[in-house]
Amino acid sequence: DAGITQSPRHKVTETGTPVTLRCHQTENHRYMYWYRQDPGHGLRLIHYSYGVKDTDKGEVSDGYSVSRSKTEDFLLTLESATSSQTSVYFCAIRESSGGPYNEQFFGPGTRLTVL
Amino acid sequence: TQLLEQSPQFLSIQEGENLTVYCNSSSVFSSLQWYRQEPGEGPVLLVTVVTGGEVKKLKRLTFQFGDARKDSSLHITAAQPGDTGLYLCAGSAGNNRKLIWGLGTSLAVNP
Repeated sequence: DAGITQSPRHKVTETGTPVTLRCHQTENHRYMYWYRQDPGHGLRLIHYSYGVKDTDKGEVSDGYSVSRSKTEDFLLTLESATSSQTSVYFCAIRESSGGPYNEQFFGPGTRLTVL
Repeated sequence: TQLLEQSPQFLSIQEGENLTVYCNSSSVFSSLQWYRQEPGEGPVLLVTVVTGGEVKKLKRLTFQFGDARKDSSLHITAAQPGDTGLYLCAGSAGNNRKLIWGLGTSLAVNP
């Protein structure tokens, strides 16, 4: 258990509203990731962070922003939600003691529905 | 663009059968990982392979990394219903900050 929690676990919202998902970790890992998972597309990286206030884009970053003001929290914001952003969102951390290998541990996921 | 192709995409077998899942790429990876994901949960790391030709065993699961570090396989012996899930491979290359993910193999083991 890497001590990762995500909130909320489920959310239904309407098109055009802002939405923020939170990922919280308790073990001071440097790297944190946000993915979305959709049938037929697998896991796709949205954004990741390699330290406080250090973030970078993934392959599907359009329409999403992130912030990391402290080590334990990584926030994902949908500025104006669209139906195409209906998905399951996973947060992951990279195990800091795992050496050079990018071994990742995942949170339980947030199921987001945009109507 | 680096890609990882997994095959088969879906697999439905009876309890007790053996199976092999493949993860292939034209790119070289410094390490490759296998994850299993059950419905409603996040992926869970099973194993990391790093050396060409490496074989690792986890109970009835055998993982192999290709000699050229471009492909990997997962073999399950005497599958059980508890093996049911989505098996994902992921490779690490370059600056190692991001993983390249396969689309997964969905395995159903029927009692």
